[in-house]
Amino acid sequence: ETVLTQSPGTLSLSPGDRATLSCWASQRVTSSSLAWYQQKPGQAPRLLIYGASSRATGIPDRFSGSGSGIHFTLTISRLEPEDFAVYYCQQYDTSLTFGGGTRVEIK
Amino acid sequence: QVQLVQSGSELKKPGASVKVSCKASGFSFNEYSLNWVRQAPGQGLEWMGWINTKTGNPTYAQGFTGRFLFSLDTSVQTAYLQISRLKAEDTGVYFCARDLDPDYVYFGMDVWGQGTTVTVSS
Repeated sequence: ETVLTQSPGTLSLSPGDRATLSCWASQRVTSSSLAWYQQKPGQAPRLLIYGASSRATGIPDRFSGSGSGIHFTLTISRLEPEDFAVYYCQQYDTSLTFGGGTRVEIK
Repeated sequence: QVQLVQSGSELKKPGASVKVSCKASGFSFNEYSLNWVRQAPGQGLEWMGWINTKTGNPTYAQGFTGRFLFSLDTSVQTAYLQISRLKAEDTGVYFCARDLDPDYVYFGMDVWGQGTTVTVSS
């Protein structure tokens, strides 16, 4: 089973800042199986990025994904107040796994 | 609109069973597989497995075999998660979520239910 490790655990930033979140895989991941989600308290996760770099329907272009192999990145170019949340990466090979999450909090 | 609507919160005693429903609307039910995801209190997301809505064939993730059962009623476009012999550690929020790609080129979940809180306590 592929283990995903997200870093940092918490990111303290201000609105307008750039956020860079990392997702490291214990073994090579197929880009088509790499996705990112946003979750706010009391809500279901929301798909942001699939295929490592494709934005899901309705996702603003300040969100972008990149990477390949064992390292993937989610970038939020300029944080809006509604972007403070927890972000998860996810992959699927023989099983689907999520990373432990990165909390983006207001500094 | 495209949505998944889950049944309400449940409070159960250890050893009991619970059945959570997930009703689909706005899309062809048997075109997209459905996943189940658990979130323990204050924790991250844990994939429980998925069910093929064309065939009804379930696949269970490690740690979710034996007491967990995925099923369908296609006549009402509803998926079910049943957990038997409940334990305190089953407490959490259970989400159903639709597979993004019916052709399995891309993997992800693009439509989520609102979540069902299951609390197991004596």
